[in-house]
Amino acid sequence: GAGVSQSPSNKVTEKGKDVELRCDPISGHTALYWYRQSLGQGLEFLIYFQGNSAPDKSGLPSDRFSAERTGGSVSTLTIQRTQQEDSAVYLCASSLGQFNQPQHFGDGTRLSIL
Amino acid sequence: QKEVEQDPGPLSVPEGAIVSLNCTYSNSAFQYFMWYRQYSRKGPELLMYTYSSGNKEDGRFTAQVDKSSKYISLFIRDSQPSDSATYLCAMIHNDMRFGAGTRLTVKP
Repeated sequence: GAGVSQSPSNKVTEKGKDVELRCDPISGHTALYWYRQSLGQGLEFLIYFQGNSAPDKSGLPSDRFSAERTGGSVSTLTIQRTQQEDSAVYLCASSLGQFNQPQHFGDGTRLSIL
Repeated sequence: QKEVEQDPGPLSVPEGAIVSLNCTYSNSAFQYFMWYRQYSRKGPELLMYTYSSGNKEDGRFTAQVDKSSKYISLFIRDSQPSDSATYLCAMIHNDMRFGAGTRLTVKP
């Protein structure tokens, strides 16, 4: 069956440009999560959606980061005016619900800011 | 103190060895415990999912939870080179918390 799909798999862009990352969750999964993973580091929580709502935006590092989810399915993470410290792997996960269900991850978007 | 502590390693063992990976945590409210395996340039893949204290076995993998000690373990028997990856522990109360991951190398 189809897992979590993320695109693009790699993105190289110049400092100051905007980027948009896409996540297509597992069908039927109501919860969707975005994480950031820097080289050799653990997972940094960014934001999660329950349906189309984002009850917890506390992990977004700055107001340059935003995310939306439409139709309870696809989500996009947008980073405006990218900085070099934004370089990382951005991982998306989905789960059936929130509190006691394990998350299933995509393979991430590897973002490099020149 | 981090909520979930995991030794980052790296850990290197010969093929066939028994591997023990561990995490400790501070929040006694955690009830659901998971282990993920992450290969290079891939997303984390769910390996084991357990609830509360006890053991769970799946093939060569055994997950152990000791809530009284706030300690969880993943054992890999007869380790194979294909087990070489980073292993992350994770646990849930109202949200999910991850360990930093342990990098394991199994040498042929």
